[in-house]
Amino acid sequence: GEDVEQSLFLSVREGDSSVINCTYTDSSSTYLYWYKQEPGAGLQLLTYIFSNMDMKQDQRLTVLLNKKDKHLSLRIADTQTGDSAIYFCAESRESNDYKLSFGAGTTVTVRA
Amino acid sequence: EAGVTQSPTHLIKTRGQQATLRCSPISGHTSVYWYQQALGLGLQFLLWYDEGEERNRGNFPPRFSGRQFPNYSSELNVNALELEDSALYLCASSLGLAIGELFFGEGSRLTVL
Repeated sequence: GEDVEQSLFLSVREGDSSVINCTYTDSSSTYLYWYKQEPGAGLQLLTYIFSNMDMKQDQRLTVLLNKKDKHLSLRIADTQTGDSAIYFCAESRESNDYKLSFGAGTTVTVRA
Repeated sequence: EAGVTQSPTHLIKTRGQQATLRCSPISGHTSVYWYQQALGLGLQFLLWYDEGEERNRGNFPPRFSGRQFPNYSSELNVNALELEDSALYLCASSLGLAIGELFFGEGSRLTVL
């Protein structure tokens, strides 16, 4: 959607770090999410961050939020072939009843 | 615990026909969301039902409609099908307001010929 933008493709070598970037337009966005969609499956929540946080880490995943630039990133350390998927950035805010607005998704391909 | 279930998995229709897609949320979830995932367009929000009422609607024509039943399951209807309606339709559920997590089904693939 136009509220959230992300690059469409990322290719990364197995074992390297992946960084997926996302920008959003509404500064009142309260929650920012990363979802993962594996082939033939629905979306699964990976992690989310509240807008008053700068960073959140969960095992191999690190989320960075730059609220001033309205920029969100997801870093995957030691990328594995199982990380190949489409990654969706999403935001929600009170003014929209916390309805999630998704980006177009970044297709991450992990090569050996 | 059963996740969000959608039916049918695949549906093939011709232009002008009507399609009905069904969704059963996770037990205890009162909110159901419908999203359209068309190739290259990401997820477009369609409809949100909570406690049987339409809570929010995306930028889609009126031929996209739906309802939520007393058991919180939901139905999406698409009338007068057009070729560009071909997409994966994803249903998600949550406990009321979707703060934290939406739980998604695997989707219904609609093909319009």
